[in-house]
Amino acid sequence: NAGVTQTPKFRVLKTGQSMTLLCAQDMNHEYMYWYRQDPGMGLRLIHYSVGEGTTAKGEVPDGYNVSRLKKQNFLLGLESAAPSQTSVYFCASSRFEEQYFGPGTRLTVT
Amino acid sequence: AQSVTQLGSHVSVSEGALVLLRCNYSSSVPPYLFWYVQYPNQGLQLLLKYTTGATLVKGINGFEAEFKKSETSFHLTKPSAHMSDAAEYFCAVSYPQAAGNKLTFGGGTRVLVKP
Repeated sequence: NAGVTQTPKFRVLKTGQSMTLLCAQDMNHEYMYWYRQDPGMGLRLIHYSVGEGTTAKGEVPDGYNVSRLKKQNFLLGLESAAPSQTSVYFCASSRFEEQYFGPGTRLTVT
Repeated sequence: AQSVTQLGSHVSVSEGALVLLRCNYSSSVPPYLFWYVQYPNQGLQLLLKYTTGATLVKGINGFEAEFKKSETSFHLTKPSAHMSDAAEYFCAVSYPQAAGNKLTFGGGTRVLVKP
């Protein structure tokens, strides 16, 4: 039981490049989330999904898109990366109130 | 909009001393309350949570927290700090009435344990 996994672990992008972060969970959870973590700001919700085929905006959605084509996967896309998107990205999943977190992806945009 | 405030971004304690991390939330509706811990270069792990019932909640690694509705607080304590408690701690809230079980986090408190 791997829990929540994230791919890749590290990535460096140049401004304007695009990329997709992959989150996978094997707990059959309905809900999935993408957060970004920045120093002193805790974690902030980017987008979330309450089920396969559904997505919704969180607190800081601008510059990101998501898709949930399969229940176990939640993809986060950056179409045109900006230095302000340098951060650590965490995926999480839940069935009830407790969220389970992945190990994170450290993204640097130069 | 709801918010979560953690007093003190850094806390230094001696090994064996009391650990006290403060968390206050702003909401007229009682939320679900959580403390998560993050060890260096890792994801977040749930320490404990309050949903309903007993207001004193015990978690893993000897931590406990008390929900005080009148003070809108959920402070985290551990009687005796251990070197392994050095980590960053996050308080978070969610609202069962809201769609998606979304969490709102405080800014985090980094704990340093001195030998």
